[in-house]
Amino acid sequence: QVQLVESGGGVVQPGRSLRLSCVASAFTFSGYGMHWVRQAPGQGLEWVAVIWSDGSQKYYGDSVKGRFTISRDNSKNTLYLQMNDLRAEDTAVYYCATEATFRLDSWGQGTLVTVSP
Amino acid sequence: QSALTQPPSASGSPGQSVTISCTGTSSDVGRYKYVSWYQQHPGKAPKLLLYEVSERPSGVPDRFSGSKSGNTASLTVSGLQADDEADYYCTSYAGSTTYYVFGTGTKVTVL
Repeated sequence: QVQLVESGGGVVQPGRSLRLSCVASAFTFSGYGMHWVRQAPGQGLEWVAVIWSDGSQKYYGDSVKGRFTISRDNSKNTLYLQMNDLRAEDTAVYYCATEATFRLDSWGQGTLVTVSP
Repeated sequence: QSALTQPPSASGSPGQSVTISCTGTSSDVGRYKYVSWYQQHPGKAPKLLLYEVSERPSGVPDRFSGSKSGNTASLTVSGLQADDEADYYCTSYAGSTTYYVFGTGTKVTVL
């Protein structure tokens, strides 16, 4: 059964950086595109970024473009999200998810990022 | 990157049906067949319900069905059950510039 475990969340001050990780198991990680999706407290889902299976293409949502970087290490079955210049509005639960033809098949349980002075 | 528009809430009694709309534009929902629906219970991760407008992943009951007309996709939940009480989100592929967009979400209440 596909397992995705996010980590790296926590409390961080505005303007600082944080790196999230998502460790995958029980499937061929290198064969799948991967997404980050976030959900602010009490709010809806917001797409953050996607990276293709071989890392060759990356796309970002407008609200994080230029500040966040998605990457992956297929040798470690791990997806990353480097978040720089964090803002209060980045406060959210961040989920990683596998992609199969523009659908998000499997999701992790999420990691909470809180941006606060 | 504008979110797809969904009604904030919908409700129905057990056994009844409820339909949720998801309105986009000719650049996303209207252009591509890659519309998906997700169910999210409180405090849980979302779960894929439908993909490519009306396809169900293994394990999803046929009480969940989908359709699309023009720029609007719809999810119908038939034979409502207590466990169907959750938030529902649509998504669409939106081309290589925008890539992906979520709907605003609909809270379904089983009366």
